[in-house]
Amino acid sequence: GAVVSQHPSRVICKSGTSVKIECRSLDFQATTMFWYRQFPKQSLMLMATSNEGSKATYEQGVEKDKFLINHASLTLSTLTVTSAHPEDSSFYICSARVGGLNTEAFFGQGTRLTVV
Amino acid sequence: AQTVTQSQPEMSVQEAETVTLSCTYDTSESDYYLFWYKQPPSRQMILVIRQEAYKQQNATENRFSVNFQKAAKSFSLKISDSQLGDAAMYFCAYRETSGSRLTFGEGTQLTVNP
Repeated sequence: GAVVSQHPSRVICKSGTSVKIECRSLDFQATTMFWYRQFPKQSLMLMATSNEGSKATYEQGVEKDKFLINHASLTLSTLTVTSAHPEDSSFYICSARVGGLNTEAFFGQGTRLTVV
Repeated sequence: AQTVTQSQPEMSVQEAETVTLSCTYDTSESDYYLFWYKQPPSRQMILVIRQEAYKQQNATENRFSVNFQKAAKSFSLKISDSQLGDAAMYFCAYRETSGSRLTFGEGTQLTVNP
């Protein structure tokens, strides 16, 4: 299957700073990428959907000014957590789709963010 | 809005035995996709099996099979000959045919006992 690489796998940052997470599709072009947040022992909650070259669509309740998503190319999407606070500590997962409506979504390995 | 419910937070099975994980969903659509994903301790999401709603035949992938009951909006996963490597969190997920977003259930933590 297709490979989605997410980097970094773990990051610790100080409260008030910003941190960027990258999601790359290594062997295919992803027209759509998704960002999820997962708390311990809980399900994946969709934060936003991004399409290459256009603004991301955020789910209700997700602060778009806090979670900046950029999908500048067909192989790269980034999530920037701005002015991070301890409550932003979580596991963030991206997924990518090739395009078309019945294609699979492939997941990155996730990023554990800890804000201290 | 579509919802996916997994009523079993935890399940356990003896190695080599069979276990069934339950999933129900709610939708007004007639055509859609259903999935089972596995999330092992590494946290990497792995697609286990997929079912198109328009297909009456239940999907099968080696030791994994589903029981898809469209009228009852039920989509259970059966794991046969359970192996230690099957231990993971399992998520049921739904996607509209015309949509791109996945809606996940709450997950079932499967333990495989040697």
